[in-house]
Amino acid sequence: SAVISQKPSRDICQRGTSLTIQCQVDSQVTMMFWYRQQPGQSLTLIATANQGSEATYESGFVIDKFPISRPNLTFSTLTVSNMSPEDSSIYLCSVASAGEGGEQFFGPGTRLTVL
Amino acid sequence: AQKITQTQPGMFVQEKEAVTLDCTYDTSDPSYGLFWYKQPSSGEMIFLIYQGSYDQQNATEGRYSLNFQKARKSANLVISASQLGDSAMYFCAMREGPGNQFYFGTGTSLTVIP
Repeated sequence: SAVISQKPSRDICQRGTSLTIQCQVDSQVTMMFWYRQQPGQSLTLIATANQGSEATYESGFVIDKFPISRPNLTFSTLTVSNMSPEDSSIYLCSVASAGEGGEQFFGPGTRLTVL
Repeated sequence: AQKITQTQPGMFVQEKEAVTLDCTYDTSDPSYGLFWYKQPSSGEMIFLIYQGSYDQQNATEGRYSLNFQKARKSANLVISASQLGDSAMYFCAMREGPGNQFYFGTGTSLTVIP
């Protein structure tokens, strides 16, 4: 298993500003994912961040809005840029081992409110 | 088409009773994994149970069991002897494809009644 921490755990931000969310894993992992969960909704994958390559974004998400860094096998950041109230969500990072049987472990999430 | 379908937005169960949460999936990949996660009001995602597409037996983990019907492409979660602490959102997920991407259903909100 993997233990994942996220910072900050929650934040309240003003419209037009940016917030960087950090994700730290206690072991080296190849595959890391960033999700958004809007209030009362399921998880939506933003991007897959594998170390040593550019993040792969899902439809509807772009690098200018959600830049991601993955400098090593234990750490990643997601920035929510030029925020609007529609960005108010829980942002979760997760890690998984390769293969369809690899369990996915989630961080505790970052609760973001944009005013 | 939706990869994962959960048709029960909300479910109620009496404490100590069993409850089944439905999940159907759609894939043409012969190799895939099915997962159930629990999300309490605190927000963390808690892994409950896993079923591989080639597994012959239904997965069990304590009070959780997965009713895997491959031909019907269903992977229902059965919670036995419900407890008040089981009240939460439950998400079914599938992992497949060359990128091993996870797909999540819309979730079922379970409320356990004392």
